[in-house]
Amino acid sequence: GENVEQHPSTLSVQEGDSAVIKCTYSDSASNYFPWYKQELGKGPQLIIDIRSNVGEKKDQRIAVTLNKTAKHFSLHITETQPEDSAVYFCAASIGSSGSARQLTFGSGTQLTVLP
Amino acid sequence: NAGVMQNPRHLVRRRGQEARLRCSPMKGHSHVYWYRQLPEEGLKFMVYLQKENIIDESGMPKERFSAEFPKEGPSILRIQQVVRGDSAAYFCASSPIQGLDIQYFGAGTRLSVL
Repeated sequence: GENVEQHPSTLSVQEGDSAVIKCTYSDSASNYFPWYKQELGKGPQLIIDIRSNVGEKKDQRIAVTLNKTAKHFSLHITETQPEDSAVYFCAASIGSSGSARQLTFGSGTQLTVLP
Repeated sequence: NAGVMQNPRHLVRRRGQEARLRCSPMKGHSHVYWYRQLPEEGLKFMVYLQKENIIDESGMPKERFSAEFPKEGPSILRIQQVVRGDSAAYFCASSPIQGLDIQYFGAGTRLSVL
């Protein structure tokens, strides 16, 4: 089955700096890659996603890149703010566009933005 | 719009008791997923259900765990004869018909087995 590796497990950055979190996946058939933000005591919140027919996607300070050949994808957060501090999870899944599918999650990255 | 609602938020059980976790999907969503999160780990898929149907239960332990999503009412994840290793956070997610691959998560139920 699919396996997703996520690095680093912890990341500290100064407010205003950029943060990058990287994930690799094992199954080349995976074609949907969401990123979730989980704050303490809360459920994961979808922040951005990318499909395999796209190499990059941006939403304000957040961007995700996908390299299908190398089977890795990354989350980039620019101009970090203290409220960005949380655990971030990447995930991968296989399925037809718009179809239901199970997500395989990475182990998470604890991001701390230092004021 | 209310999001995915899970209750209870915290549940304490003694070994051997039963745990029932409830999940009401977002309005208009008829597809529900259950995931388990052990401390310091990512979420692991357990089961995917539509109304009155289990579609994929490949992540469910073979014994003691069951799930349902009746025509009326919330989805239920049931754990019989709980053991300490069942202590975890259990999350439910739901998807709309248009965009079944996008999953919206509830706040989770944190189960502690004494």
